[in-house]
Amino acid sequence: AQSVAQPEDQVNVAEGNPLTVKCTYSVSGNPYLFWYVQYPNRGLQFLLKYITGDNLVKGSYGFEAEFNKSQTSFHLKKPSALVSDSALYFCAVRDPLYNFNKFYFGSGTKLNVKP
Amino acid sequence: GAVVSQHPSRVICKSGTSVKIECRSLDFQATTMFWYRQFPKQSLMLMATSNEGSKATYEQGVEKDKFLINHASLTLSTLTVTSAHPEDSSFYICSARDSSVGFSGNTIYFGEGSWLTVV
Repeated sequence: AQSVAQPEDQVNVAEGNPLTVKCTYSVSGNPYLFWYVQYPNRGLQFLLKYITGDNLVKGSYGFEAEFNKSQTSFHLKKPSALVSDSALYFCAVRDPLYNFNKFYFGSGTKLNVKP
Repeated sequence: GAVVSQHPSRVICKSGTSVKIECRSLDFQATTMFWYRQFPKQSLMLMATSNEGSKATYEQGVEKDKFLINHASLTLSTLTVTSAHPEDSSFYICSARDSSVGFSGNTIYFGEGSWLTVV
């Protein structure tokens, strides 16, 4: 079965420090992996994706994520957090072998960046 | 980038009435759109896949007669919540797949969402 796990409901980090938001997944075939950010009362904004190729992908606003097939993980990272990064982050996976269009979302991780 | 517009962004309706939410792809055609529901502080749950010119495909547990979906054109899908009850209050988000682009992985765009409050 397809699933995404974000083990941390909340991540707290000081501004200027590196941040990591964790994500692990389970799919039948090769996954298409995504990170989205949601600000209060808003829709989802695309950050980055992994489809194939280099395991380290770079996205919007200085975020990056590393695909680790052996650990079935796709953790989101940023070298230096900003207060404006505070938001709700969702990891998502699409399984092209099952239903190409369907997103499976994690439960979300609230990122709090303190000044 | 591609834009998906939802209207209204916020709506309050009385119990027992019906309310319609629109999802439009503004600069691309979308033969397939998706409707999600998000409860407070929870993740997004796919409700149904909306297919232009044909019936929507509903996820298990979603009431077809309560959540009517119409996808009459390549740029518009509507979700109608019929006989609304307070438990239908939620944040509804649509997404649309750009039909002109191949399966490159990121051709699905999300709308800004619509808050429904049933009183």
